[in-house]
Amino acid sequence: GENVEQHPSTLSVQEGDSAVIKCTYSDSASNYFPWYKQELGKGPQLIIDIRSNVGEKKDQRIAVTLNKTAKHFSLHITETQPEDSAVYFCAARQGADGLTFGKGTHLIIQP
Amino acid sequence: DAGVIQSPRHEVTEMGQEVTLRCKPISGHNSLFWYRQTMMRGLELLIYFNNNVPIDDSGMPEDRFSAKMPNASFSTLKIQPSEPRDSAVYFCASRGTSPQYFGPGTRLLVL
Repeated sequence: GENVEQHPSTLSVQEGDSAVIKCTYSDSASNYFPWYKQELGKGPQLIIDIRSNVGEKKDQRIAVTLNKTAKHFSLHITETQPEDSAVYFCAARQGADGLTFGKGTHLIIQP
Repeated sequence: DAGVIQSPRHEVTEMGQEVTLRCKPISGHNSLFWYRQTMMRGLELLIYFNNNVPIDDSGMPEDRFSAKMPNASFSTLKIQPSEPRDSAVYFCASRGTSPQYFGPGTRLLVL
């Protein structure tokens, strides 16, 4: 089955700086890669996703890049703000299957 | 749209008792997923349904776990008998075309 590795487990950045979270996947058949943000006591919330036929996608301060050859994808958050503090999860999916998640990154924005 | 609805939000029970978790997916979504989240294992897919039919239950940990989807607007996850190691947050998610949307979760504590 699919295996998703996520790094780092904790990331602390100064407010206004950029944050980058990286994930690798094992199944070359995976074709959909979403990122979720989870705040304390809440369910994961989709923030951005990318399909395997696209190399990069951007939505305001958030961007995701995908390298199919290397089987890795990254989340980039620019101009970080206090409300960006949360746990972020990457995931991978093949076809209509359920998602396989990484272990999560605790992002801390230092004022 | 009310989003995915889960009940109860919190459940405390004693070992050996039956526990039933409930989920109402987003209207019009034809896929429903049950996940479990723990500190040790992260977010794990337990089972998912397409058009009310169970497709993949390979993530269900033991025969003590069972899930049903009697119609397009309701699903249950049952644990009988419950054990302390079942303590976790259980999420239901639904999907229409592509993105998967999560409910707020049920926090289960088995004493």
